[in-house]
Amino acid sequence: GAVVSQHPSWVICKSGTSVKIECRSLDFQATTMFWYRQFPKQSLMLMATSNEGSKATYEQGVEKDKFLINHASLTLSTLTVTSAHPEDSSFYICSARDIEREGDFLPEQYFGPGTRLTVT
Amino acid sequence: GQNIDQPTEMTATEGAIVQINCTYQTSGFNGLFWYQQHAGEAPTFLSYNVLDGLEEKGRFSSFLSRSKGYSYLLLKELQMKDSASYLCAVRDSNYQLIWGAGTKLIIKP
Repeated sequence: GAVVSQHPSWVICKSGTSVKIECRSLDFQATTMFWYRQFPKQSLMLMATSNEGSKATYEQGVEKDKFLINHASLTLSTLTVTSAHPEDSSFYICSARDIEREGDFLPEQYFGPGTRLTVT
Repeated sequence: GQNIDQPTEMTATEGAIVQINCTYQTSGFNGLFWYQQHAGEAPTFLSYNVLDGLEEKGRFSSFLSRSKGYSYLLLKELQMKDSASYLCAVRDSNYQLIWGAGTKLIIKP
């Protein structure tokens, strides 16, 4: 159980275009999903926390108008990179918290497989 | 500020034991996690410590000392497939995960 999928797994787009990445919890409900970005040989950087039915909370330095997050249901959150530029090329990873385990001694985050974005 | 330190890279021999250290300074503490991440893949959960002491899980063990702000991940009977990055993450008082930069572990035959 506790599977998170991401689509697409990799994408190449031209500079100036927009790209949408989907994150789905397949066998559990997630009120909270997290979006991370990871550049080569660097650590995970939290971009934003996505809450179902409300606006996402963005980390300092992350442009909310550039990285649009929508969490319309308990099993789906989307990240849209608008007007992508080569410096947006990165590995984007989502994770989800299982609503049934909220308040557990160990509320583990379940990670998706990641999306490799290359902007040319 | 919040800070998590772990060595950038370590090398060990197949069949041996390796200890990866992690020190942290965070605003509050609500548990420490270790994750394994193979290149190009998402992290996978390895262990969780919230109380002082050693947690053992097969070939992997994790230790925590809250008073020292210190943890280590111990890997025994190393296998080639253990070559990966190992990420230390601390959950702070806001229940946010603060991530270390990761330790790249290279296993040699």
